[in-house]
Amino acid sequence: AQSVAQPEDQVNVAEGNPLTVKCTYSVSGNPYLFWYVQYPNRGLQFLLKYITGDNLVKGSYGFEAEFNKSQTSFHLKKPSALVSDSALYFCAVRGAYEKLTFGTGTRLTIIP
Amino acid sequence: NAGVTQTPKFRVLKTGQSMTLLCAQDMNHEYMYWYRQDPGMGLRLIHYSVGEGTTAKGEVPDGYNVSRLKKQNFLLGLESAAPSQTSVYFCASTSRLAGAYEQYFGPGTRLTVT
Repeated sequence: AQSVAQPEDQVNVAEGNPLTVKCTYSVSGNPYLFWYVQYPNRGLQFLLKYITGDNLVKGSYGFEAEFNKSQTSFHLKKPSALVSDSALYFCAVRGAYEKLTFGTGTRLTIIP
Repeated sequence: NAGVTQTPKFRVLKTGQSMTLLCAQDMNHEYMYWYRQDPGMGLRLIHYSVGEGTTAKGEVPDGYNVSRLKKQNFLLGLESAAPSQTSVYFCASTSRLAGAYEQYFGPGTRLTVT
């Protein structure tokens, strides 16, 4: 069975510093990986995806993610954090019929 | 376009009561999904549908039923609510066209069962 793991429940970063939110995956075959963001009392919003090709994927709001096959990781990154980036972030892997298996989520807090 | 909408936004039920959550999408998507979100557990798939008239079980289907009578609507039913079904429920949809992949989510329904 496929799965993703987000090892950190909470990540705190000072405004202006780079941020990383970690995700590792376990799948058979080539992984299709996603990052979603959830702001308070809202649904999930798509940030970016890795399907194939370049290991560095760029997405919305200045976020990017690095796919590393040897480490089975797909970490979310941003060079300079904003207070407005504070939210709940989910990593997910695609299965049959586009079903998504989500990680448990990482709460990102940007400290002014 | 409204995208994905969910009705109601909030609901409080007593144990044993029944209710139906409605999801509607106006993007002509073939695939639709119901997830539940619980603290520390991420989102878990309850049921999904790959087209009008078809439904299938996800990871946590027990205690729920679904129907997809129209392409744009996906209903989630609780026949006899239990406190363990207290959760936030999200509906999502996506296209089966190659290269689509992204799921679009509704705003959620917060359900409390007392």
